[in-house]
Amino acid sequence: NAGVTQTPKFQVLKTGQSMTLQCAQDMNHEYMSWYRQDPGMGLRLIHYSVGAGITDQGEVPNGYNVSRSTTEDFPLRLLSAAPSQTSVYFCASRSPGTSPGELFFGEGSRLTVL
Amino acid sequence: AQSVTQLGSHVSVSEGALVLLRCNYSSSVPPYLFWYVQYPNQGLQLLLKYTSAATLVKGINGFEAEFKKSETSFHLTKPSAHMSDAAEYFCAVSEGTGRRALTFGSGTRLQVQP
Repeated sequence: NAGVTQTPKFQVLKTGQSMTLQCAQDMNHEYMSWYRQDPGMGLRLIHYSVGAGITDQGEVPNGYNVSRSTTEDFPLRLLSAAPSQTSVYFCASRSPGTSPGELFFGEGSRLTVL
Repeated sequence: AQSVTQLGSHVSVSEGALVLLRCNYSSSVPPYLFWYVQYPNQGLQLLLKYTSAATLVKGINGFEAEFKKSETSFHLTKPSAHMSDAAEYFCAVSEGTGRRALTFGSGTRLQVQP
């Protein structure tokens, strides 16, 4: 099993550009989420989904969009990138019936916005 | 509202010495508590979890943590540090099950000196 796969691993954008971070999992997990990691701030939840067609906002959703058309995929879209969105982004998933902390993480996508 | 405080953003120990990483939490209900480890350029990996069973929880790689309700603490320990333990460690808290979000601490970077 590949687990949780994120692409790209590195990306540099200019302010105002748009892009999509891809996340795919092959574990048939219903719950998927996106976090951003910033120095000294731990991980903060951006958006999450409890199944195909269902998404909700987390702690820091502004500037990001998500959709969930399949169980496997949960892309994160930046419509107009800003320097404040420079961060490392992690996708995570978990299986039904497990506690909220039993997450499987991808290896991360490092985004720099100039 | 739930929150997590990790005391000490950097901890340095000698190889073979005791590892103690501190975590205090705040929760309005009995919490679920977790420790994650992040090796350089990798995603987070669940180290151990407390979900209201035994208060002393054993995890992978010889780590363990003790839930102390009276002190609202969930400190991570390992009797003898190994060079391979050098990583960043995150404590996290969740109130209950279901779609409730996970709140991460700001992380503690562990250095192991030869």
